[in-house]
Amino acid sequence: DAKTTQPTSMDCAEGRAANLPCNHSTISGNEYVYWYRQIHSQGPQYIIHGLKNNETNEMASLIITEDRKSSTLILPHATLRDTAVYYCIVRPFGGSNYKLTFGKGTLLTVNP
Amino acid sequence: GAVVSQHPSWVICKSGTSVKIECRSLDFQATTMFWYRQFPKQSLMLMATSNEGSKATYEQGVEKDKFLINHASLTLSTLTVTSAHPEDSSFYICSAIGTSGNEQYFGPGTRLTVT
Repeated sequence: DAKTTQPTSMDCAEGRAANLPCNHSTISGNEYVYWYRQIHSQGPQYIIHGLKNNETNEMASLIITEDRKSSTLILPHATLRDTAVYYCIVRPFGGSNYKLTFGKGTLLTVNP
Repeated sequence: GAVVSQHPSWVICKSGTSVKIECRSLDFQATTMFWYRQFPKQSLMLMATSNEGSKATYEQGVEKDKFLINHASLTLSTLTVTSAHPEDSSFYICSAIGTSGNEQYFGPGTRLTVT
């Protein structure tokens, strides 16, 4: 699987948008970008995934650059409960045996 | 979204004993489940991939005779830590993939402490 690079930590003010970047310059054509987050002492939570088009759901928006070498996860109105480690992962789409490889992720701290 | 549960949520055991952790997909059938381990301040490390009705596939460096995995049904996988030692103390997390194969749902984790 392609590797990803994320900043170690970021801060965001409550109510503001949180923009979390991810570099995946070696991504393959059949690989999707997935985002998960892990709140302290809990299991990871799926957020969103995409291939090349921008995606939006009730949790977040995912912006993928045209060359697919980087992406940004956007939490439009961050709350204190969004404080977590955010993981950007690339893996092939579908196929139940495609495992997720977690990097160190970005610790997002939302401040009041 | 789909729900994955784990039991117990935390367990304390004595060195040398065995501990079983259950992972269940509550509202979907999971042909594949994964087991991860996470040490403090570290990321999740995949231990093994479990397919229903077949033997688990272990990652390099994970002792299959120590970490026994059974995936007897489409909704249940178990991880047994045999002859546990203090260095096995960790946060164990399972995940399951539904029939679409696209999204992986994680359990809440089990905190194991070996004294």
